[in-house]
Amino acid sequence: EPEVTQTPSHQVTQMGQEVILRCVPISNHLYFYWYRQILGQKVEFLVSFYNNEISEKSEIFDDQFSVERPDGSNFTLKIRSTKLEDSAMYFCASSQHKNTEAFFGQGTRLTVV
Amino acid sequence: GNSVTQMEGPVTLSEEAFLTINCTYTATGYPSLFWYVQYPGEGLQLLLKATKADDKGSNKGFEATYRKETTSFHLEKGSVQVSDSAVYFCALREETSGSRLTFGEGTQLTVNP
Repeated sequence: EPEVTQTPSHQVTQMGQEVILRCVPISNHLYFYWYRQILGQKVEFLVSFYNNEISEKSEIFDDQFSVERPDGSNFTLKIRSTKLEDSAMYFCASSQHKNTEAFFGQGTRLTVV
Repeated sequence: GNSVTQMEGPVTLSEEAFLTINCTYTATGYPSLFWYVQYPGEGLQLLLKATKADDKGSNKGFEATYRKETTSFHLEKGSVQVSDSAVYFCALREETSGSRLTFGEGTQLTVNP
């Protein structure tokens, strides 16, 4: 069964460093998403991506964040200068169309120290 | 704005007990409603959904009914199993304003033998 895969499963980084979280969406899906969950808080929407551009973003998704689809299979989230408060579980998701089921990866736990 | 509120957890039940996890929502339009489940070490999986008032979503013995009058979408199961132990997330999506999901806090369910 096709699935969304995320790497790494856990990343530890020093404050101020750049991190790239990687995702491989399901191959015939056209819409890609990033969500995050800070420990003990809700899962929050960050950004959606379609046709090689951002289609929607939340207020959380500020200039320190960027997304990219560098090739035909990967979808990445870059955090330019990490802060302690960026520590969270980051989930990638993809869907075939805009309002069809979103399939989620298992998440990358980011710890900023 | 949109929001989802779930009953506070964690919830611990014995096998074959009746489960209810409460979920209420606030939305400006006419959302679709979802329950996602996250088993240990895995990503979020869609459990069931309902797209309009009075619809009932069901899957794997779980049910939830879209109640517009009480803005609720409570998850129920008549007889839980140990394998149902997971985190359950209620979510909504406004069909007319993009594809983002708005999640509740998640409820940890533990079922003991």
